Amino acid sequence: QKEVEQDPGPLSVPEGAIVSLNCTYSNSAFQYFMWYRQYSRKGPELLMYTYSSGNKEDGRFTAQVDKSSKYISLFIRDSQPSDSATYLCAMSVDDYKLSFGAGTTVTVRA
Amino acid sequence: DTGVSQDPRHKITKRGQNVTFRCDPISEHNRLYWYRQTLGQGPEFLTYFQNEAQLEKSRLLSDRFSAERPKGSFSTLEIQRTEQGDSAMYLCASSSATNEKLFFGSGTQLSVL
Repeated sequence: QKEVEQDPGPLSVPEGAIVSLNCTYSNSAFQYFMWYRQYSRKGPELLMYTYSSGNKEDGRFTAQVDKSSKYISLFIRDSQPSDSATYLCAMSVDDYKLSFGAGTTVTVRA
Repeated sequence: DTGVSQDPRHKITKRGQNVTFRCDPISEHNRLYWYRQTLGQGPEFLTYFQNEAQLEKSRLLSDRFSAERPKGSFSTLEIQRTEQGDSAMYLCASSSATNEKLFFGSGTQLSVL
């Protein structure tokens, strides 16, 4: 069993829809939680960063962390075609060695 | 601030050859990381530097792999006697000691024929 599980999708939604992404994990020592966006042939770009449990909102993006359930989520409101990418969850015990999910490929249809 | 820079962007080599990649971190960042990503998977941690000191190496980093960061600035990752299984995207990231957020470069795509 992988330390971080993420549904690879693919996920296809119409423009304007809410995109819901999630990851589960097994290591209860994780305390840093991140979401990265990766376009084809590019490096991951940090979208959201959360320490410990709770919610965080940044524009159209909302990240949620539920440590009791070992479950994290990312919501994208009013999705745009430019949001089409692979979304990677990542987490770490310390602040440098990240464990990534496999990524979910999202397509937003115009 | 030009972000994390990696060179080359693409490298095609024959099995058994040696290859070297370079990473230039964000200038004020003293931490530098190497990750490897294969198709359809998330990046996997390889190694980590704080300034010029290599503080941790993953078991994924076999004896054929060596990373350096002379003077705590740019870093190089060398793979000796490449194998087809080394084909992957090699990603470099950097962060500052006071901010845990990692910023990644665009990666070097290695293809071993």
